Amino acid sequence: RKEVEQDPGPFNVPEGATVAFNCTYSNSASQSFFWYRQDCRKEPKLLMSVYSSGNEDGRFTAQLNRASQYISLLIRDSKLSDSATYLCVVNPPHRGSTLGRLYFGRGTQLTVWP
Amino acid sequence: NAGVTQTPKFQVLKTGQSMTLQCAQDMNHEYMSWYRQDPGMGLRLIHYSVGAGITDQGEVPNGYNVSRSTTEDFPLRLLSAAPSQTSVYFCASSRGETQYFGPGTRLLVL
Repeated sequence: RKEVEQDPGPFNVPEGATVAFNCTYSNSASQSFFWYRQDCRKEPKLLMSVYSSGNEDGRFTAQLNRASQYISLLIRDSKLSDSATYLCVVNPPHRGSTLGRLYFGRGTQLTVWP
Repeated sequence: NAGVTQTPKFQVLKTGQSMTLQCAQDMNHEYMSWYRQDPGMGLRLIHYSVGAGITDQGEVPNGYNVSRSTTEDFPLRLLSAAPSQTSVYFCASSRGETQYFGPGTRLLVL
Protein backbone atom coordinates (compact mmCIF):
# COMPACT_ATOMS: atom_id res chain seq x y z
CA ARG A 1 0.00 0.00 0.00
CA LYS A 2 1.33 3.43 -0.92
CA GLU A 3 2.22 5.81 1.90
CA VAL A 4 0.02 8.55 0.45
CA GLU A 5 -2.99 8.13 -1.82
CA GLN A 6 -4.46 11.07 -3.66
CA ASP A 7 -7.13 11.45 -6.33
CA PRO A 8 -5.29 12.81 -9.39
CA GLY A 9 -8.37 14.61 -10.72
CA PRO A 10 -8.44 16.68 -12.84
CA PHE A 11 -10.74 19.14 -11.15
CA ASN A 12 -12.08 21.82 -13.47
CA VAL A 13 -13.97 24.60 -11.69
CA PRO A 14 -15.13 28.13 -12.53
CA GLU A 15 -13.70 31.18 -10.87
CA GLY A 16 -15.29 31.77 -7.49
CA ALA A 17 -16.04 28.11 -6.86
CA THR A 18 -15.12 26.19 -3.73
CA VAL A 19 -13.14 23.02 -4.29
CA ALA A 20 -11.86 20.37 -1.88
CA PHE A 21 -9.12 17.78 -2.18
CA ASN A 22 -8.56 14.80 0.06
CA CYS A 23 -5.77 12.37 0.54
CA THR A 24 -5.20 9.38 2.79
CA TYR A 25 -2.01 8.15 4.44
CA SER A 26 -1.08 4.67 5.59
CA ASN A 27 1.33 5.20 8.52
CA SER A 28 -0.72 6.02 11.60
CA ALA A 29 2.46 7.15 13.40
CA SER A 30 2.92 10.05 10.97
CA GLN A 31 3.16 13.37 12.76
CA SER A 32 3.64 16.00 10.07
CA PHE A 33 1.49 16.78 7.09
CA PHE A 34 1.71 19.36 4.34
CA TRP A 35 0.18 20.59 1.13
CA TYR A 36 2.60 21.62 -1.61
CA ARG A 37 1.71 23.37 -4.81
CA GLN A 38 3.40 22.64 -8.13
CA ASP A 39 2.93 24.76 -11.21
CA CYS A 40 3.41 23.23 -14.64
CA ARG A 41 7.06 22.33 -15.25
CA LYS A 42 8.14 24.00 -12.00
CA GLU A 43 9.37 22.78 -8.65
CA PRO A 44 7.00 22.05 -5.75
CA LYS A 45 6.58 24.81 -3.16
CA LEU A 46 5.11 24.59 0.31
CA LEU A 47 1.52 25.85 0.38
CA MET A 48 0.76 25.15 4.01
CA SER A 49 1.37 22.79 6.88
CA VAL A 50 -1.57 20.84 8.29
CA TYR A 51 -2.12 20.95 12.02
CA SER A 52 -4.27 18.68 14.15
CA SER A 53 -6.66 21.50 15.01
CA GLY A 54 -7.00 22.53 11.39
CA ASN A 55 -5.60 25.74 10.03
CA GLU A 56 -6.53 28.47 7.61
CA ASP A 57 -4.49 30.76 5.42
CA GLY A 58 -6.67 33.22 3.57
CA ARG A 59 -8.84 31.26 1.14
CA PHE A 60 -7.14 27.96 1.98
CA THR A 61 -8.16 25.66 4.83
CA ALA A 62 -6.38 22.46 5.75
CA GLN A 63 -7.83 19.75 7.97
CA LEU A 64 -6.42 16.58 9.48
CA ASN A 65 -8.48 13.59 10.55
CA ARG A 66 -6.17 11.24 12.44
CA ALA A 67 -8.84 8.64 13.15
CA SER A 68 -9.52 8.16 9.45
CA GLN A 69 -5.97 9.04 8.38
CA TYR A 70 -6.92 11.62 5.84
CA ILE A 71 -5.98 15.19 5.09
CA SER A 72 -8.04 17.74 3.22
CA LEU A 73 -7.49 21.05 1.51
CA LEU A 74 -10.35 23.45 0.84
CA ILE A 75 -9.98 26.37 -1.54
CA ARG A 76 -12.68 29.02 -1.40
CA ASP A 77 -13.38 31.66 -4.04
CA SER A 78 -11.08 30.02 -6.60
CA LYS A 79 -8.88 32.27 -8.71
CA LEU A 80 -7.38 31.61 -12.12
CA SER A 81 -3.98 31.71 -10.42
CA ASP A 82 -4.95 28.71 -8.26
CA SER A 83 -4.60 26.47 -11.32
CA ALA A 84 -1.82 24.04 -10.41
CA THR A 85 -1.19 20.56 -9.07
CA TYR A 86 -1.64 20.17 -5.33
CA LEU A 87 0.55 17.60 -3.62
CA CYS A 88 -0.39 15.93 -0.35
CA VAL A 89 2.75 15.25 1.68
CA VAL A 90 3.28 13.15 4.78
CA ASN A 91 6.33 12.84 7.00
CA PRO A 92 6.23 9.44 8.72
CA PRO A 93 8.85 8.57 11.34
CA HIS A 94 11.91 6.80 10.01
CA ARG A 95 14.51 5.18 12.26
CA GLY A 96 13.30 7.27 15.14
CA SER A 97 13.64 10.55 13.26
CA THR A 98 11.12 12.77 11.55
CA LEU A 99 13.77 14.85 9.82
CA GLY A 100 12.59 15.71 6.37
CA ARG A 101 11.86 12.29 4.87
CA LEU A 102 8.71 13.15 2.97
CA TYR A 103 6.29 11.00 1.03
CA PHE A 104 4.37 12.70 -1.74
CA GLY A 105 1.01 11.85 -3.20
CA ARG A 106 0.65 11.79 -6.98
CA GLY A 107 -0.93 15.23 -6.89
CA THR A 108 -4.37 16.57 -7.78
CA GLN A 109 -4.59 18.74 -10.84
CA LEU A 110 -6.79 21.83 -10.57
CA THR A 111 -7.85 24.06 -13.45
CA VAL A 112 -9.85 27.19 -12.70
CA TRP A 113 -11.57 28.64 -15.74
CA PRO A 114 -12.95 32.16 -16.24
CA ASN B 1 20.36 33.89 -1.39
CA ALA B 2 20.16 31.81 -4.54
CA GLY B 3 18.37 29.04 -2.63
CA VAL B 4 18.72 25.61 -4.23
CA THR B 5 20.38 25.49 -7.63
CA GLN B 6 20.60 22.54 -10.01
CA THR B 7 22.63 21.94 -13.14
CA PRO B 8 22.13 21.08 -15.89
CA LYS B 9 18.52 22.05 -16.64
CA PHE B 10 18.26 19.50 -19.46
CA GLN B 11 20.35 16.50 -20.44
CA VAL B 12 20.14 13.77 -23.05
CA LEU B 13 22.15 10.60 -22.46
CA LYS B 14 22.64 7.37 -24.29
CA THR B 15 22.08 4.09 -22.49
CA GLY B 16 25.17 3.15 -20.53
CA GLN B 17 26.60 6.65 -20.20
CA SER B 18 27.32 8.10 -16.78
CA MET B 19 26.75 11.59 -15.54
CA THR B 20 26.47 13.69 -12.40
CA LEU B 21 23.57 15.97 -11.58
CA GLN B 22 24.73 18.89 -9.50
CA CYS B 23 22.85 20.41 -6.58
CA ALA B 24 23.94 23.26 -4.34
CA GLN B 25 22.28 25.33 -1.62
CA ASP B 26 23.42 28.47 0.15
CA MET B 27 21.04 28.37 3.12
CA ASN B 28 23.31 26.29 5.35
CA HIS B 29 20.71 23.53 5.52
CA GLU B 30 21.84 20.22 6.99
CA TYR B 31 19.28 18.06 5.20
CA MET B 32 19.39 17.55 1.45
CA SER B 33 17.59 15.08 -0.75
CA TRP B 34 17.06 13.94 -4.31
CA TYR B 35 13.68 13.05 -5.82
CA ARG B 36 12.56 11.87 -9.19
CA GLN B 37 9.16 12.76 -10.61
CA ASP B 38 7.49 10.62 -13.23
CA PRO B 39 4.03 11.04 -14.77
CA GLY B 40 1.39 9.45 -12.54
CA MET B 41 3.94 8.50 -9.89
CA GLY B 42 4.46 11.64 -7.86
CA LEU B 43 7.83 12.48 -6.34
CA ARG B 44 9.87 9.56 -5.06
CA LEU B 45 12.86 9.88 -2.76
CA ILE B 46 16.12 8.55 -4.23
CA HIS B 47 18.75 9.40 -1.61
CA TYR B 48 19.04 11.85 1.21
CA SER B 49 21.65 13.28 3.56
CA VAL B 50 21.29 14.61 7.09
CA GLY B 51 24.67 16.32 7.04
CA ALA B 52 28.12 16.33 5.50
CA GLY B 53 29.50 12.81 5.33
CA ILE B 54 26.13 11.14 6.01
CA THR B 55 23.89 9.72 3.31
CA ASP B 56 21.10 7.16 3.21
CA GLN B 57 18.84 5.49 0.69
CA GLY B 58 15.31 6.50 -0.08
CA GLU B 59 12.55 4.60 -1.88
CA VAL B 60 14.23 4.18 -5.26
CA PRO B 61 18.04 4.24 -4.81
CA ASN B 62 19.08 1.62 -7.38
CA GLY B 63 21.24 2.98 -10.18
CA TYR B 64 22.17 6.15 -8.30
CA ASN B 65 25.03 7.15 -6.02
CA VAL B 66 25.44 10.19 -3.82
CA SER B 67 28.06 11.74 -1.60
CA ARG B 68 28.04 14.74 0.70
CA SER B 69 31.50 16.17 1.25
CA THR B 70 30.27 19.69 2.09
CA THR B 71 27.12 21.16 3.57
CA GLU B 72 26.45 23.08 0.35
CA ASP B 73 26.72 20.37 -2.33
CA PHE B 74 24.89 17.10 -2.89
CA PRO B 75 25.62 15.61 -6.33
CA LEU B 76 23.67 12.67 -7.75
CA ARG B 77 25.56 10.24 -9.95
CA LEU B 78 24.08 7.94 -12.54
CA LEU B 79 26.58 5.16 -13.03
CA SER B 80 25.19 3.58 -16.19
CA ALA B 81 22.12 5.36 -17.48
CA ALA B 82 19.05 3.34 -18.48
CA PRO B 83 15.87 4.46 -20.28
CA SER B 84 13.97 3.82 -17.03
CA GLN B 85 15.90 6.73 -15.53
CA THR B 86 14.27 9.19 -17.90
CA SER B 87 12.61 11.57 -15.47
CA VAL B 88 12.62 14.99 -13.88
CA TYR B 89 15.03 15.15 -10.94
CA PHE B 90 14.54 17.57 -8.06
CA CYS B 91 17.00 18.36 -5.34
CA ALA B 92 15.71 19.79 -2.06
CA SER B 93 17.14 21.09 1.19
CA SER B 94 15.68 21.81 4.59
CA ARG B 95 16.59 22.70 8.14
CA GLY B 96 13.28 21.70 9.68
CA GLU B 97 10.43 19.99 7.91
CA THR B 98 9.84 22.52 5.13
CA GLN B 99 11.71 21.50 2.01
CA TYR B 100 12.94 23.97 -0.58
CA PHE B 101 13.26 22.55 -4.05
CA GLY B 102 15.58 23.39 -6.87
CA PRO B 103 14.19 24.06 -10.38
CA GLY B 104 14.80 20.49 -11.53
CA THR B 105 16.84 18.66 -14.16
CA ARG B 106 15.01 17.02 -17.07
CA LEU B 107 16.85 13.90 -18.13
CA LEU B 108 16.17 11.84 -21.23
CA VAL B 109 17.96 8.52 -21.65
CA LEU B 110 17.84 7.06 -25.14
